[in-house]
Amino acid sequence: ETAVFQTPNYHVTQVGNEVSFNCKQTLGHDTMYWYKQDSKKLLKIMFSYNNKQLIVNETVPRRFSPQSSDKAHLNLRIKSVEPEDSAVYLCASSPDWGDTLYFGAGTRLSVL
Amino acid sequence: QQQVRQSPQSLTVWEGETAILNCSYEDSTFDYFPWYWQFPRESPALLIAIRPVSNKKEDGRFTIFFNKREKKLSLHITDSQPGDSATYFCAASPTSGGNYKPTFGKGTSLVVHP
Repeated sequence: ETAVFQTPNYHVTQVGNEVSFNCKQTLGHDTMYWYKQDSKKLLKIMFSYNNKQLIVNETVPRRFSPQSSDKAHLNLRIKSVEPEDSAVYLCASSPDWGDTLYFGAGTRLSVL
Repeated sequence: QQQVRQSPQSLTVWEGETAILNCSYEDSTFDYFPWYWQFPRESPALLIAIRPVSNKKEDGRFTIFFNKREKKLSLHITDSQPGDSATYFCAASPTSGGNYKPTFGKGTSLVVHP
């Protein structure tokens, strides 16, 4: 099966903890993204990678950092979570820049 | 600065009616316009897309009308079905130029009553 896979599906943690989310795509795409979707369903791009190179780094807080070992994997680490980080984090991939995005199922983060 | 705008924020129609969702953009470098739909507890998925070489794209009951001069597009859903109830996102991105940011509108929540 070819798709975008994210783990974990859900994560509940407390303020100040560190969390990591994983994403893997088996579609053979060159580009991967992290989006944040808030409770109002707004989709905001956080990071994008093209062949392991960070191309776009939106003005997200420094506690967020993307990590990529190869073009099929893109992880997201949050060093010290804050309550406003509660959201769904969506990983996506696309064949090339400006092409259709294929989303994973998302990781829902709740910060208590 | 909001690059992609959608209206209305929410829309309710009866089964069988035509739903019209609007989208506008500001950046002239945008040249790919996909619409995604998102059902509750699911991720966004591609519904239909258009490039500016065309002013219309049709796929079954779903049609995009595109006006490049006015930087506007609309999604028409004919013979709306309850299963079409979802949030619809208009997105835009350039395919060259270095601004590699697929940008989403805020979405239109569509409810189709049986």
